[in-house]
Amino acid sequence: DGGITQSPKYLFRKEGQNVTLSCEQNLNHDAMYWYRQDPGQGLRLIYYSQIVNDFQKGDIAEGYSVSREKKESFPLTVTSAQKNPTAFYLCASSSSTGGYEQYFGPGTRLTVT
Amino acid sequence: RKEVEQDPGPFNVPEGATVAFNCTYSNSASQSFFWYRQDCRKEPKLLMSVYSSGNEDGRFTAQLNRASQYISLLIRDSKLSDSATYLCVVNFWDSGYALNFGKGTSLLVTP
Repeated sequence: DGGITQSPKYLFRKEGQNVTLSCEQNLNHDAMYWYRQDPGQGLRLIYYSQIVNDFQKGDIAEGYSVSREKKESFPLTVTSAQKNPTAFYLCASSSSTGGYEQYFGPGTRLTVT
Repeated sequence: RKEVEQDPGPFNVPEGATVAFNCTYSNSASQSFFWYRQDCRKEPKLLMSVYSSGNEDGRFTAQLNRASQYISLLIRDSKLSDSATYLCVVNFWDSGYALNFGKGTSLLVTP
């Protein structure tokens, strides 16, 4: 089955710890994205990558980092510098950037206390 | 600032009813338009792309009005399973990579 997987589904961390969220896709898509969603809010773009070994900041990149060493994988690290890390994190992919439809993974709910 | 605006609702409709949602966007340089569906605590799923000529998929019809900068979604013969939040999504030409998401319109279909 082709699709996007994210793990874990739920993640709990103490304040001050870095945490890495996994995102893997087997759709052979070039572009991958990370969004965050807060209750009652729209999705906000954190980072995106158009191709392996390249990525760009989105609207709210501060306190986050990413890597794109393989086409299939786009992990997101939430660092201790992120002031409000508790949120629903969604990974998406598309065949290319430039307005193509994006397909989402099931998301990771991160709670930091 | 590029905005995508939706009425948050909720829209409460009886089974079998027809319901319509509108969405307005702020940037006339827009390239692509979509409706996504999001169930509670789940990921968004693509419902349909919206084309300039309008398009229909079963009970769902999407329309685009570029002159007035709005998109609509019509759901006919509502089912209980249509209950969800519907997200309006626009790609602005001058931010080629980004899909801009509205906050969503909540629909509850009741028996």
